[in-house]
Amino acid sequence: QVQLQESGPGLVKPSQTLSLTCTVSGGSISSGDYYWSWIRQPPGKGLEWIGYIYYSGSTYYNPSLKSRVTISVDTSKNQFSLKLSSVTAADTAVYYCAREGPAASIDYWGQGTLVTVSS
Amino acid sequence: DIQMTQSPSSLSASVGDRVTITCRASQSISSYLNWYQQKPGKAPKLLIYAASSLQSGVPSRFSGSGSGTDFTLTISSLQPEDFATYYCQQSYSTPSSFGQGTKLEIK
Repeated sequence: QVQLQESGPGLVKPSQTLSLTCTVSGGSISSGDYYWSWIRQPPGKGLEWIGYIYYSGSTYYNPSLKSRVTISVDTSKNQFSLKLSSVTAADTAVYYCAREGPAASIDYWGQGTLVTVSS
Repeated sequence: DIQMTQSPSSLSASVGDRVTITCRASQSISSYLNWYQQKPGKAPKLLIYAASSLQSGVPSRFSGSGSGTDFTLTISSLQPEDFATYYCQQSYSTPSSFGQGTKLEIK
């Protein structure tokens, strides 16, 4: 059973960089069978897809965030990471790491981590 | 980018009711449409992928249909644990996008 777990600071100051890591267990990122994604959800609002990474390091980012987002992978640790720069209060959200499954659906999700942007 | 519109935004129903939620895409997405259920404080859970394929472990009272731009999620007989928010997602093209959600409440 694949499990994903987000980790990182729950509070980030405006203009700084949000950094989160997702640790995958029960499956190997290096298998090359899946894409690994980040998705966020502002409190009380809907879901926004941030981007994904392949084990090779190939990425795709949502154009709405592209200038501020970097997703990277560390296959030796079976982890992938998210960095979002120049954050504002609008970036306050629950951030989920996830796996793309059949038909590019999201079949496994982390539990989510709330990141608050505030001074 | 492809816009996804769900209707209704909220819905009140009773245990045992048959419920249908609709999702419309701003352009054709073939059958690349997925449905999720989300309960408060929890991550979304995949119910249906590729418009009509039931994810493993999901009860058979959930079903999906449609192709092109119009899709439906049907719950044949509502159970108490089904009261939640439902989202559709298109995975036809990047960036992937979600509908705004349908909150299913107890009548």
